[in-house]
Amino acid sequence: KQEVTQIPAALSVPEGENLVLNCSFTDSAIYNLQWFRQDPGKGLTSLLLIQSSQREQTSGRLNASLDKSSGRSTLYIAASQPGDSATYLCAARIGSEKLVFGKGTKLTVNP
Amino acid sequence: DAGVIQSPRHEVTEMGQEVTLRCKPISGHNSLFWYRQTMMRGLELLIYFNNNVPIDDSGMPEDRFSAKMPNASFSTLKIQPSEPRDSAVYFCASRPGAGNSNQPQHFGDGTRLSIL
Repeated sequence: KQEVTQIPAALSVPEGENLVLNCSFTDSAIYNLQWFRQDPGKGLTSLLLIQSSQREQTSGRLNASLDKSSGRSTLYIAASQPGDSATYLCAARIGSEKLVFGKGTKLTVNP
Repeated sequence: DAGVIQSPRHEVTEMGQEVTLRCKPISGHNSLFWYRQTMMRGLELLIYFNNNVPIDDSGMPEDRFSAKMPNASFSTLKIQPSEPRDSAVYFCASRPGAGNSNQPQHFGDGTRLSIL
């Protein structure tokens, strides 16, 4: 059974700092690995999707990497801003359509 | 372009009552997903549809839960009878393509359900 873990559960950093969020999964047989952002009272917004054959994806200040052999993915946020404050979730796609989510990392960027 | 629309946004009802949650997916998306999010268990997939047909309902917790998709633009998740442990935020998501498509899912803002 696929399990996805995110550490830490919460992170507080000063504005401008570069940071890394971690995601680990137990079964390397995944179709892709996705990172989402969730703001309070809102749904999830897709940030980056890394296919199983890829090593990384970049979008603006965000860079996500995938290492299937070690069961790990990281989300790198450069020059963090208060607007980046949110909960970040990773999800591994298994089987036909199923996403298995981690419980998220709550990020607070302090001005 | 309108996103995934869920209604109601909040629902408070008493134990034993029937609850119906509604979802309108993004036009042209042919995969639809229902999730439940709680502090204890995180985000869990309940059921998903492809071209209006239920494909995997293994995440539906009990027979009290049922979901339908009568057409490509509407889906419902029903709980009857409701119990306090059903209290959670329920999300609907849709996605274009099917099968091995690597398109991301688009989420609605959820329905916050409280069963007293």
